[in-house]
Amino acid sequence: EPEVTQTPSHQVTQMGQEVILRCVPISNHLYFYWYRQILGQKVEFLVSFYNNEISEKSEIFDDQFSVERPDGSNFTLKIRSTKLEDSAMYFCASREQGAKTEAFFGQGTRLTVV
Amino acid sequence: GESVGLHLPTLSVQEGDNSIINCAYSNSASDYFIWYKQESGKGPQFIIDIRSNMDKRQGQRVTVLLNKTVKHLSLQIAATQPGDSAVYFCAENSGGSNYKLTFGKGTLLTVNP
Repeated sequence: EPEVTQTPSHQVTQMGQEVILRCVPISNHLYFYWYRQILGQKVEFLVSFYNNEISEKSEIFDDQFSVERPDGSNFTLKIRSTKLEDSAMYFCASREQGAKTEAFFGQGTRLTVV
Repeated sequence: GESVGLHLPTLSVQEGDNSIINCAYSNSASDYFIWYKQESGKGPQFIIDIRSNMDKRQGQRVTVLLNKTVKHLSLQIAATQPGDSAVYFCAENSGGSNYKLTFGKGTLLTVNP
């Protein structure tokens, strides 16, 4: 069964450093997303990406964050100058064309900023 | 403000019983709702969805009910099994074609053998 894969599963970084979280969406999907979940809290939308551009972003997704689809398979989230409060699980998701199709989530990357 | 929330943070049931997990939403413009299951250390897993032009949708052992009058969504799990133990989130699409999901806080379902 096709699935969204994320690497690494756990990333520890020092405050102020840059991190890149990687995702391989399901191959025929056209819409890509990043969500995050701070420990014990609900899943929060960060950004949606379609046709090689950001289609919507939340207030969380400030200039510290950027996304990229560098080739035909990867979708990355870059966090510049990480802060302690960026520590969270980051989930990548993808879905097919169509407004009412479900999104499939990856297993997540646990980011710990120390 | 616009929000999706859950009435019960925890629910404990006996194996074989039926479970009902509730969710309230406040964005009347939302037209698509999804229930996700999240097991420890894993990403949200799709369970069932419903569009706003429907009141009820059934899947395998699960049923979602949508009451637009009171902005209420529920997930019913029949014959609950230990493998159903997880956190359940409702989510609404508040972004139209951008599929911007707003998740509720989650309900922890514990199934006792």
